[in-house]
Parts: sequence; structure tokens; C-alpha cells
Amino acid sequence: EPEVTQTPSHQVTQMGQEVILRCVPISNHLYFYWYRQILGQKVEFLVSFYNNEISEKSEIFDDQFSVERPDGSNFTLKIRSTKLEDSAMYFCASNRLGQGRYFGPGTRLTVT
Amino acid sequence: TQLLEQSPQFLSIQEGENLTVYCNSSSVFSSLQWYRQEPGEGPVLLVTVVTGGEVKKLKRLTFQFGDARKDSSLHITAAQPGDTGLYLCAGISGNTPLVFGKGTRLSVIA
Repeated sequence: EPEVTQTPSHQVTQMGQEVILRCVPISNHLYFYWYRQILGQKVEFLVSFYNNEISEKSEIFDDQFSVERPDGSNFTLKIRSTKLEDSAMYFCASNRLGQGRYFGPGTRLTVT
Repeated sequence: TQLLEQSPQFLSIQEGENLTVYCNSSSVFSSLQWYRQEPGEGPVLLVTVVTGGEVKKLKRLTFQFGDARKDSSLHITAAQPGDTGLYLCAGISGNTPLVFGKGTRLSVIA
């Protein structure tokens, strides 16, 4: 069964550094998302992406965040200058119109 | 801001028991999804309900969407240790992004 994959599984970075989290959505999906989950808290929406542009973003997704689909398979989330409070699990998800989201296994980001 | 309240927050039961967990909101949702999340992993979609009053069954799991599309329930019959996990409901309304509840953490003891 096709699945969303994410790399790396765990990323440790120092405050102020840039990180890029990578995702490969399911191949015939057209809608892509990033969510995050701070330890012990609920899953929070960051951004949705369709037709090569952001379709919606939350207040969390400020100027430090960006997304890109550099080729036909990858979908990346970049955090330009990480802060301690960016430490969380970051989940990529994808779907087709009207379907539930298929989530990847997540990247655990630890900012020290 | 749309909120989904899930209850109970924690539930610990013996293998073989039945249970129901709830997802409630003051908002109307066009669709509602249930996910299960294991520690350190991403949420896994269980079901999507769209029509008010809709009931969907997935083996021992029965999902119901309220008539007014503001609430949903998940009933598990004869729970097994493999059912242990965090059960999340998430709703979509119009063009708003998917909103998650905080989840019900279920522990089934053998």
C-alpha cells in the first residue's frame, strides 16, 4: 500500500540554524500538508499546498517557514532560523480531493 | 476558532470490554475523520464520515456522525490490547483546514 515517507526521522539542530524537512507524498495525491505536534499537545495545522502554491496557512506558519515542491515527488518544509519552541514532531500529509489525509511517520525536530 | 472536544481524555479498560469515545463541537462540520496515532508515529486514518447520522463500521469499530454534524462517536466492541493508542477526531468545515481534537488515549489491558 502506498505511503507518505519523511526524512530524516530525527533532526537535532542548534537555535538559529536552518532546517529542511523532507517528505515524499503518495504519488497520485494532489494536496499536500504540513502539521506539527508539540509533545503532549494536539496536532496543529501549518500549511496546505495545491497546484504548486500555498492554499492556506496558519498563524504558526510565519515568515520563518516556507514550503516547496522542487520536483514531482518531494515536498519540503524549511525553517530558516529555528527557535527552541519549534521543537516538535512535524508530519507531512497528502490526499486526493474529498479524501482523508494520509500522514507520514513524522520528523522529530529537536532545537537546542 | 473551531474546537473539537474529545472525551474521555484517558480510558483504561480490560480486554473484552466495550467502550465509546466522543468528539463534540459547537461548530458544524462538512466531514469528520477519525485517526489512530501510536507513540512517535503519524496519525493513521480510520474513517471519514460525511452525512449527518451516518454510521460506518470497521471490524469491531463503529463510527457515528451526529445528525447535526457537530459531534461523532467511536464505539469499540470487545476491545483488544492491539486497540491501544491515541484516537483523534478531526473535522473540516468549508474551506477551513482540518482541525484536530486532543484525542482520547486508550489503554486495553490483557
